[in-house]
Amino acid sequence: NAGVTQTPKFQVLKTGQSMTLQCAQDMNHNSMYWYRQDPGMGLRLIYYSASEGTTDKGEVPNGYNVSRLNKREFSLRLESAAPSQTSVYFCASALGLPGELFFGEGSRLTVL
Amino acid sequence: GQQLNQSPQSMFIQEGEDVSMNCTSSSIFNTWLWYKQDPGEGPVLLIALYKAGELTSNGRLTAQFGITRKDSFLNISASIPSDVGIYFCAGHRSGGGADGLTFGKGTHLIIQP
Repeated sequence: NAGVTQTPKFQVLKTGQSMTLQCAQDMNHNSMYWYRQDPGMGLRLIYYSASEGTTDKGEVPNGYNVSRLNKREFSLRLESAAPSQTSVYFCASALGLPGELFFGEGSRLTVL
Repeated sequence: GQQLNQSPQSMFIQEGEDVSMNCTSSSIFNTWLWYKQDPGEGPVLLIALYKAGELTSNGRLTAQFGITRKDSFLNISASIPSDVGIYFCAGHRSGGGADGLTFGKGTHLIIQP
Protein backbone atom coordinates (compact mmCIF):
# COMPACT_ATOMS: atom_id res chain seq x y z
CA ASN A 1 0.00 0.00 0.00
CA ALA A 2 2.42 2.69 -1.18
CA GLY A 3 -0.20 5.35 -2.01
CA VAL A 4 1.64 8.51 -3.17
CA THR A 5 5.43 8.24 -3.27
CA GLN A 6 7.72 11.26 -3.63
CA THR A 7 11.44 11.32 -4.29
CA PRO A 8 13.76 12.67 -3.10
CA LYS A 9 12.67 13.38 0.47
CA PHE A 10 15.43 15.93 1.04
CA GLN A 11 17.52 17.97 -1.39
CA VAL A 12 19.92 20.88 -1.11
CA LEU A 13 20.60 22.93 -4.24
CA LYS A 14 22.68 25.94 -5.10
CA THR A 15 21.05 28.93 -6.76
CA GLY A 16 20.75 28.32 -10.50
CA GLN A 17 20.88 24.53 -10.34
CA SER A 18 18.07 22.46 -11.76
CA MET A 19 16.30 19.44 -10.38
CA THR A 20 13.18 17.32 -10.79
CA LEU A 21 10.91 16.09 -8.01
CA GLN A 22 9.30 12.78 -8.84
CA CYS A 23 5.85 11.62 -7.78
CA ALA A 24 4.07 8.34 -8.40
CA GLN A 25 0.71 7.02 -7.22
CA ASP A 26 -0.56 3.45 -7.33
CA MET A 27 -4.25 4.15 -6.66
CA ASN A 28 -5.30 4.59 -10.32
CA HIS A 29 -6.30 8.19 -9.62
CA ASN A 30 -6.99 10.54 -12.51
CA SER A 31 -5.95 13.84 -10.92
CA MET A 32 -2.54 14.75 -9.54
CA TYR A 33 -1.26 17.92 -7.88
CA TRP A 34 1.88 19.69 -6.71
CA TYR A 35 1.66 21.98 -3.66
CA ARG A 36 4.25 23.91 -1.73
CA GLN A 37 4.03 24.56 2.00
CA ASP A 38 5.73 27.53 3.63
CA PRO A 39 5.47 28.67 7.27
CA GLY A 40 2.37 30.78 7.79
CA MET A 41 1.25 30.36 4.17
CA GLY A 42 -0.56 27.05 4.26
CA LEU A 43 -0.66 24.91 1.12
CA ARG A 44 -0.43 26.65 -2.23
CA LEU A 45 -1.11 24.90 -5.52
CA ILE A 46 1.71 25.05 -8.06
CA TYR A 47 0.35 22.90 -10.91
CA TYR A 48 -2.22 20.18 -11.31
CA SER A 49 -3.18 17.58 -13.85
CA ALA A 50 -6.83 16.61 -14.15
CA SER A 51 -6.01 13.62 -16.33
CA GLU A 52 -3.19 12.03 -18.25
CA GLY A 53 -1.99 14.41 -20.95
CA THR A 54 -3.29 17.62 -19.37
CA THR A 55 -1.68 20.09 -16.99
CA ASP A 56 -2.86 23.44 -15.62
CA LYS A 57 -1.32 26.25 -13.61
CA GLY A 58 -2.24 26.76 -10.01
CA GLU A 59 -1.75 29.73 -7.72
CA VAL A 60 2.09 29.89 -7.80
CA PRO A 61 3.40 28.34 -11.06
CA ASN A 62 6.27 30.74 -11.82
CA GLY A 63 9.69 29.06 -11.86
CA TYR A 64 8.26 25.55 -12.21
CA ASN A 65 7.38 23.12 -15.00
CA VAL A 66 5.51 19.83 -14.78
CA SER A 67 5.14 16.67 -16.79
CA ARG A 68 2.34 14.13 -16.51
CA LEU A 69 4.38 11.23 -17.80
CA ASN A 70 1.55 8.70 -17.59
CA LYS A 71 -1.43 8.10 -15.32
CA ARG A 72 0.84 7.14 -12.39
CA GLU A 73 3.57 9.77 -12.55
CA PHE A 74 3.63 13.56 -12.24
CA SER A 75 6.99 15.33 -12.00
CA LEU A 76 7.86 18.88 -10.97
CA ARG A 77 10.94 20.55 -12.43
CA LEU A 78 12.87 23.58 -11.23
CA GLU A 79 14.96 24.78 -14.18
CA SER A 80 16.97 27.40 -12.29
CA ALA A 81 16.45 27.18 -8.54
CA ALA A 82 16.13 30.33 -6.45
CA PRO A 83 16.25 30.75 -2.64
CA SER A 84 12.54 31.70 -2.74
CA GLN A 85 11.85 28.12 -3.82
CA THR A 86 13.10 26.77 -0.49
CA SER A 87 10.02 24.95 0.74
CA VAL A 88 8.38 21.63 1.45
CA TYR A 89 6.75 20.23 -1.69
CA PHE A 90 3.80 17.87 -1.59
CA CYS A 91 2.43 15.75 -4.37
CA ALA A 92 -1.19 14.62 -4.11
CA SER A 93 -3.65 12.58 -6.12
CA ALA A 94 -7.43 12.36 -6.23
CA LEU A 95 -9.98 9.92 -7.59
CA GLY A 96 -12.69 12.44 -8.25
CA LEU A 97 -14.60 13.31 -5.08
CA PRO A 98 -14.30 17.11 -4.76
CA GLY A 99 -11.36 18.15 -2.61
CA GLU A 100 -10.51 14.65 -1.35
CA LEU A 101 -6.76 14.45 -1.89
CA PHE A 102 -4.20 11.83 -0.92
CA PHE A 103 -0.84 13.41 -0.13
CA GLY A 104 2.68 12.07 -0.27
CA GLU A 105 5.10 12.52 2.62
CA GLY A 106 6.71 15.61 1.15
CA SER A 107 10.06 16.65 -0.30
CA ARG A 108 12.05 19.21 1.65
CA LEU A 109 14.06 21.44 -0.69
CA THR A 110 16.64 24.00 0.39
CA VAL A 111 18.14 26.41 -2.14
CA LEU A 112 21.29 28.16 -0.98
CA GLY B 1 -7.86 34.18 -5.33
CA GLN B 2 -10.31 33.01 -2.74
CA GLN B 3 -9.27 33.35 0.88
CA LEU B 4 -10.08 31.15 3.82
CA ASN B 5 -9.62 32.63 7.27
CA GLN B 6 -8.75 29.87 9.68
CA SER B 7 -8.59 30.48 13.41
CA PRO B 8 -7.01 30.25 15.78
CA GLN B 9 -3.50 30.11 14.29
CA SER B 10 -2.23 28.18 17.33
CA MET B 11 -3.76 26.47 20.31
CA PHE B 12 -1.94 25.47 23.48
CA ILE B 13 -4.12 23.10 25.46
CA GLN B 14 -3.81 20.42 28.12
CA GLU B 15 -4.53 16.78 27.52
CA GLY B 16 -8.19 16.01 28.02
CA GLU B 17 -9.45 19.44 26.98
CA ASP B 18 -11.89 19.96 24.12
CA VAL B 19 -10.73 21.90 21.06
CA SER B 20 -12.65 24.11 18.66
CA MET B 21 -11.41 25.71 15.46
CA ASN B 22 -13.14 27.31 12.53
CA CYS B 23 -12.78 28.50 8.99
CA THR B 24 -14.64 31.38 7.32
CA SER B 25 -14.78 32.77 3.82
CA SER B 26 -16.43 35.56 1.88
CA SER B 27 -17.21 33.00 -0.85
CA ILE B 28 -19.63 30.11 -0.92
CA PHE B 29 -18.24 26.58 -1.12
CA ASN B 30 -19.98 23.37 -2.17
CA THR B 31 -17.74 21.13 -0.06
CA TRP B 32 -15.83 21.72 3.16
CA LEU B 33 -12.99 19.45 4.22
CA TRP B 34 -10.70 19.10 7.22
CA TYR B 35 -7.17 17.69 6.98
CA LYS B 36 -4.59 16.91 9.66
CA GLN B 37 -0.84 17.04 9.17
CA ASP B 38 1.39 15.18 11.61
CA PRO B 39 4.94 16.51 12.01
CA GLY B 40 7.09 15.48 9.03
CA GLU B 41 4.16 13.95 7.13
CA GLY B 42 1.71 14.96 4.44
CA PRO B 43 -1.86 16.08 5.26
CA VAL B 44 -4.46 13.36 5.72
CA LEU B 45 -8.18 13.86 5.16
CA LEU B 46 -10.21 13.69 8.39
CA ILE B 47 -13.72 14.70 7.39
CA ALA B 48 -15.51 15.84 4.23
CA LEU B 49 -18.84 17.72 4.34
CA TYR B 50 -21.06 18.01 1.28
CA LYS B 51 -24.27 19.68 2.43
CA ALA B 52 -25.02 22.99 4.15
CA GLY B 53 -25.92 22.35 7.79
CA GLU B 54 -24.36 18.88 7.74
CA LEU B 55 -22.85 17.68 11.01
CA THR B 56 -20.44 14.74 10.72
CA SER B 57 -18.45 12.84 13.33
CA ASN B 58 -15.34 10.70 13.05
CA GLY B 59 -14.52 9.30 16.49
CA ARG B 60 -13.74 12.23 18.78
CA LEU B 61 -13.88 14.67 15.86
CA THR B 62 -17.03 16.53 14.86
CA ALA B 63 -17.26 18.94 11.94
CA GLN B 64 -20.06 21.11 10.64
CA PHE B 65 -20.77 22.69 7.26
CA GLY B 66 -22.15 26.15 8.04
CA ILE B 67 -25.67 26.93 6.91
CA THR B 68 -24.50 29.96 4.92
CA ARG B 69 -21.95 27.71 3.10
CA LYS B 70 -19.28 30.25 4.00
CA ASP B 71 -17.91 28.59 7.11
CA SER B 72 -17.06 25.32 8.79
CA PHE B 73 -16.15 24.21 12.31
CA LEU B 74 -14.09 21.36 13.72
CA ASN B 75 -14.31 20.17 17.32
CA ILE B 76 -12.07 17.61 19.00
CA SER B 77 -13.27 16.20 22.29
CA ALA B 78 -11.03 14.98 25.12
CA SER B 79 -7.73 15.69 23.35
CA ILE B 80 -4.90 13.15 23.53
CA PRO B 81 -1.19 13.56 22.71
CA SER B 82 -1.53 12.13 19.19
CA ASP B 83 -3.91 15.00 18.30
CA VAL B 84 -0.85 17.27 18.03
CA GLY B 85 -0.34 18.61 14.52
CA ILE B 86 -1.58 21.15 12.03
CA TYR B 87 -5.25 21.13 11.08
CA PHE B 88 -6.20 22.57 7.68
CA CYS B 89 -9.63 23.47 6.50
CA ALA B 90 -10.31 23.44 2.76
CA GLY B 91 -13.22 24.61 0.66
CA HIS B 92 -14.09 23.30 -2.77
CA ARG B 93 -16.15 25.09 -5.36
CA SER B 94 -16.93 23.63 -8.77
CA GLY B 95 -15.71 25.92 -11.50
CA GLY B 96 -13.70 27.84 -8.97
CA GLY B 97 -10.52 27.74 -11.02
CA ALA B 98 -7.24 25.99 -10.18
CA ASP B 99 -9.29 22.88 -9.54
CA GLY B 100 -11.61 24.75 -7.19
CA LEU B 101 -9.87 23.85 -3.92
CA THR B 102 -8.65 26.46 -1.43
CA PHE B 103 -6.79 25.69 1.80
CA GLY B 104 -6.74 27.68 5.02
CA LYS B 105 -3.38 28.49 6.59
CA GLY B 106 -3.77 25.95 9.34
CA THR B 107 -4.26 25.72 13.09
CA HIS B 108 -1.28 24.42 15.08
CA LEU B 109 -2.48 22.28 17.96
CA ILE B 110 0.03 21.88 20.79
CA ILE B 111 -0.72 19.82 23.86
CA GLN B 112 1.08 20.88 27.00
CA PRO B 113 2.14 18.22 29.47
